Amino acid sequence: AQSVTQPDIHITVSEGASLELRCNYSYGATPYLFWYVQSPGQGLQLLLKYFSGDTLVQGIKGFEAEFKRSQSSFNLRKPSVHWSDAAEYFCAVRSGGGADGLTFGKGTHLIIQP
Amino acid sequence: NAGVTQTPKFQVLKTGQSMTLQCAQDMNHNSMYWYRQDPGMGLRLIYYSASEGTTDKGEVPNGYNVSRLNKREFSLRLESAAPSQTSVYFCASSEEGAADTQYFGPGTRLTVL
Repeated sequence: AQSVTQPDIHITVSEGASLELRCNYSYGATPYLFWYVQSPGQGLQLLLKYFSGDTLVQGIKGFEAEFKRSQSSFNLRKPSVHWSDAAEYFCAVRSGGGADGLTFGKGTHLIIQP
Repeated sequence: NAGVTQTPKFQVLKTGQSMTLQCAQDMNHNSMYWYRQDPGMGLRLIYYSASEGTTDKGEVPNGYNVSRLNKREFSLRLESAAPSQTSVYFCASSEEGAADTQYFGPGTRLTVL
């Protein structure tokens, strides 16, 4: 069965500093990988996804992620965070089976210090 | 274009009561999903419907039933609510491909006393 690990439950970053959120997955074949963001009291919004091709993926709001097959990782990065980036971030994986659901990590809560 | 809508936004039930959570999407998507979100657990899949007329169990289906009423609507029913079902419930929809983005509704916060 596929699984996703987000090792950091909370991360605190100063505004303007760089950010990296870690995600490791477990899946036998090439996975379909996603990063979602959830603001307080809101639903989830897709930041970016990887399914093939270039291993460095660009997303919305200045985020990017890099797929590293050898490390089973799909870490999310941003060069300079803004106070509005404070939110919960979820990494998710999907098998190649089509319409089945996503398997989510437990999330990383991002706190931005002024 | 409202995307994915869910009703109600909040609900409080007593143990043993029943209720149905409603979900509708206006993106003409084939696939729809129900997830629950609990603190420190991320989101877990309850049921999904790959296409109109089909439903399948996800990771945590016990205590729930679903109905794919038509292509737009996918409801989740709790027949006899239990405190363990206190959670935030999210509906999502997507096209059928594995790489296709799932679009999420705003959620329903359910408390079972």
